[in-house]
Amino acid sequence: GENVEQHPSTLSVQEGDSAVIKCTYSDSASNYFPWYKQELGKRPQLIIDIRSNVGEKKDQRIAVTLNKTAKHFSLHITETQPEDSAVYFCAAISGGSYIPTFGRGTSLIVHP
Amino acid sequence: DADVTQTPRNRITKTGKRIMLECSQTKGHDRMYWYRQDPGLGLRLIYYSFDVKDINKGEISDGYSVSRQAQAKFSLSLESAIPNQTALYFCATSDGDGYNYGYTFGSGTRLTVV
Repeated sequence: GENVEQHPSTLSVQEGDSAVIKCTYSDSASNYFPWYKQELGKRPQLIIDIRSNVGEKKDQRIAVTLNKTAKHFSLHITETQPEDSAVYFCAAISGGSYIPTFGRGTSLIVHP
Repeated sequence: DADVTQTPRNRITKTGKRIMLECSQTKGHDRMYWYRQDPGLGLRLIYYSFDVKDINKGEISDGYSVSRQAQAKFSLSLESAIPNQTALYFCATSDGDGYNYGYTFGSGTRLTVV
């Protein structure tokens, strides 16, 4: 089955810096890669996703890149703000199963 | 945002007790899931259901059972609760049309087994 590794487990940055979270996956059939943000005490919420036919996708200060050859994808947050502090989860989904395999999460801390 | 509602929000129960966690949704999604979240372990799938007559085990189904009472309702039961089932439990739904695989999560149930 699919295996998703996520790094780092904790990331601490100063406000205004950029943050990068990386994930690798094992199943070459995976074709959809969502990212979820979970603020403290709240539910995970989808913030951005990318499909295997696209190499990069941006939405304001966040972007996701995908390298299918290397089987890794990354979340990039620019100009970080304290409200970006949360746990971020990556996931990989194969079109045949519809069941995502989640990474273990990255706790992002943005210091004012 | 009450489109996926979980009850109760918090529950403390004793070892050996049977407990049911409930999930209802107004998204109209066919697919429903139960996950548990533990610190450092991410989200692990317990059970999932693609329609009312479909029930499937996830990676950590031992000690749990589910019931899909209707398209909108999916319940998780712990037949005899044990302390290592203390966790945050999330219900989720998804649209299975092949284009939108994103999940909508409920607000979670924090379960403590003492």
